[in-house]
Amino acid sequence: SQKIEQNSEALNIQEGKTATLTCNYTNYSPAYLQWYRQDPGRGPVFLLLIRENEKEKRKERLKVTFDTTLKQSLFHITASQPADSATYLCALPMDSNYQLIWGAGTKLIIKP
Amino acid sequence: ETGVTQTPRHLVMGMTNKKSLKCEQHLGHNAMYWYKQSAKKPLELMFVYSLEERVENNSVPSRFSPECPNSSHLFLHLHTLQPEDSALYLCASSRSGQGNYEQYFGPGTRLTVT
Repeated sequence: SQKIEQNSEALNIQEGKTATLTCNYTNYSPAYLQWYRQDPGRGPVFLLLIRENEKEKRKERLKVTFDTTLKQSLFHITASQPADSATYLCALPMDSNYQLIWGAGTKLIIKP
Repeated sequence: ETGVTQTPRHLVMGMTNKKSLKCEQHLGHNAMYWYKQSAKKPLELMFVYSLEERVENNSVPSRFSPECPNSSHLFLHLHTLQPEDSALYLCASSRSGQGNYEQYFGPGTRLTVT
């Protein structure tokens, strides 16, 4: 069955450094992958979508890579700030057109 | 705000109660979703509606009953719930249920079943 893995342990990063989060998947080849941010007590907020034919996507301080050979996506936040502290989720489409499967998320803590 | 509202934000109910969760989207989207989020677990998709027609139902117990009267509103009717149903219930919408469209989430309803 399709499976997504994100590092379940919190990631602690010093302010100003680059934070890198990992999303690994198995057992299929998704056409695209999405990243979301979730703050405590709130719903996820869409950040970026990257397609299988795109190696890299950028948005301001965010960068996402998609390696279909390794079955992995990396999510980078450069010049990290305490306000970037949140849980980051990756999501991929299932075989069904209507469904995404979600990783459990990685909690990112940016320390001043 | 995301353009998706949910009420109530918090709900405490007994196992014999009947309650409903409400979701409204102001984005003109055609697809709406109900998710369950438990602590440290991935989002679990419960139901998907596209153009007011239910298109996915992921083996959800019958004590959860969705209703989509129009493309802007979605309800989740709850009855005879179990304590393990306590979770954050999230509503989302997207431009279309098919394809690579991002989803917009409401703030969720924190449900506690006693």
